[in-house]
Amino acid sequence: DTGVSQNPRHKITKRGQNVTFRCDPISEHNRLYWYRQTLGQGPEFLTYFQNEAQLEKSRLLSDRFSAERPKGSFSTLEIQRTEQGDSAMYLCASRLAGVMGEQFFGPGTRLTVL
Amino acid sequence: GEDVEQSLFLSVREGDSSVINCTYTDSSSTYLYWYKQEPGAGLQLLTYIFSNMDMKQDQRLTVLLNKKDKHLSLRIADTQTGDSAIYFCADLGFGNEKLTFGTGTRLTIIP
Repeated sequence: DTGVSQNPRHKITKRGQNVTFRCDPISEHNRLYWYRQTLGQGPEFLTYFQNEAQLEKSRLLSDRFSAERPKGSFSTLEIQRTEQGDSAMYLCASRLAGVMGEQFFGPGTRLTVL
Repeated sequence: GEDVEQSLFLSVREGDSSVINCTYTDSSSTYLYWYKQEPGAGLQLLTYIFSNMDMKQDQRLTVLLNKKDKHLSLRIADTQTGDSAIYFCADLGFGNEKLTFGTGTRLTIIP
């Protein structure tokens, strides 16, 4: 399967714990995006990378959130001191810069904070 | 900021056409997209239209864009049970990388 993959698919944690999600983009894609989708809503943009550089961050990305893409391939999204309001689906997407703007999405990681 | 709006629900009889509507506010939109999301799954890109086009047809899908009214629609011909899903409209503004999504329209097929 050469699509975008995300791990884990589901994560249940207790409030106050730290969690980390991983995204593996399509191999030749140099742009990688993180979105968050809460129940009954459309995805909301969090941040994006061009290779290893983080070029834009949404105001939604509080200080407790950090994203990295250390070698310009896979990316991690860490949430520290989780809160119940962080419960959501976290979606990763990737694309090749210069190609029509189409973003390919992964299956998402569903986070539940108890 | 930019806003994208959709009606929440649509029910259609199997075999009929479905029309899902979307309005957006961003005057600088370059591309507009339709994504499909099945339960528990990620987003599947169905089709997109460049902002200087009025219409795009792709097999059973027809996209109409009225740029003056900032209105986008997706028509699905001969709707089947496999078309049951949530459909999201999204826009990409000029110079932007982020997609702005609507709240999604849940399409239910009546047998």
